[in-house]
Amino acid sequence: QIQLVQSGPELKKPGESVKISCKASGYTFTNYGMYWVKQAPGQGLQYMGWINTETGKPTYADDFKGRFVFFLETSASTAYLQINNLKNEDMATYFCARGTTAYYWGQGVMVTVSS
Amino acid sequence: DVVMTQTPVSLPVSLGGQASISCRSSQSLVHSNGNTYLHWYLQKPGQSPQLLIYRVSNRFSGVPDRFSGSGSGTDFTLKISRVEPEDLGDYYCLQSTHSWTFGGGTKLELK
Repeated sequence: QIQLVQSGPELKKPGESVKISCKASGYTFTNYGMYWVKQAPGQGLQYMGWINTETGKPTYADDFKGRFVFFLETSASTAYLQINNLKNEDMATYFCARGTTAYYWGQGVMVTVSS
Repeated sequence: DVVMTQTPVSLPVSLGGQASISCRSSQSLVHSNGNTYLHWYLQKPGQSPQLLIYRVSNRFSGVPDRFSGSGSGTDFTLKISRVEPEDLGDYYCLQSTHSWTFGGGTKLELK
């Protein structure tokens, strides 16, 4: 069956970097783009951008240009989100979702930022 | 950028009752290919969102027919009839015609 399995929770200090993975299975990885969504504690869903899994080209929403990086390890059917120079406001749960209709979602990764 | 206005923010319901959630977009969601990419999700506490309805009115696999979606252009509605305990949670609309934009969410809770 189709699954997106994300990496585990992270505890980081301000200024550090974090890398979150999203491993896909049950379908051809390069057939669907991978989308990233942020959910701050108690808040709604916020679109971060997506990566074209055929070409590796990332597209970032305006609020996520600069410190956020999407990349792939296609041979492992895995998409990554890296956040550099972490700030307190990056504390959130990050989801990956398959394709423009987001039929399938990862379980989410909680990132805690605390000194 | 497209703005999605979702109402109400909170919706108290009785079990067995009906609920209706609205999403309005700041511009038409009809794609140049003729499709309308407006979808509905339910997020239960501690879980990831799950797709209920895609492209306005199509129920995703396994979604009960108590859930129905309708609308066109800029005005869309999700209706839930005969509300059951497992329907409680946060509902979001998503437009993917012009990039992505989520609605602000609606918390469906017991009256």
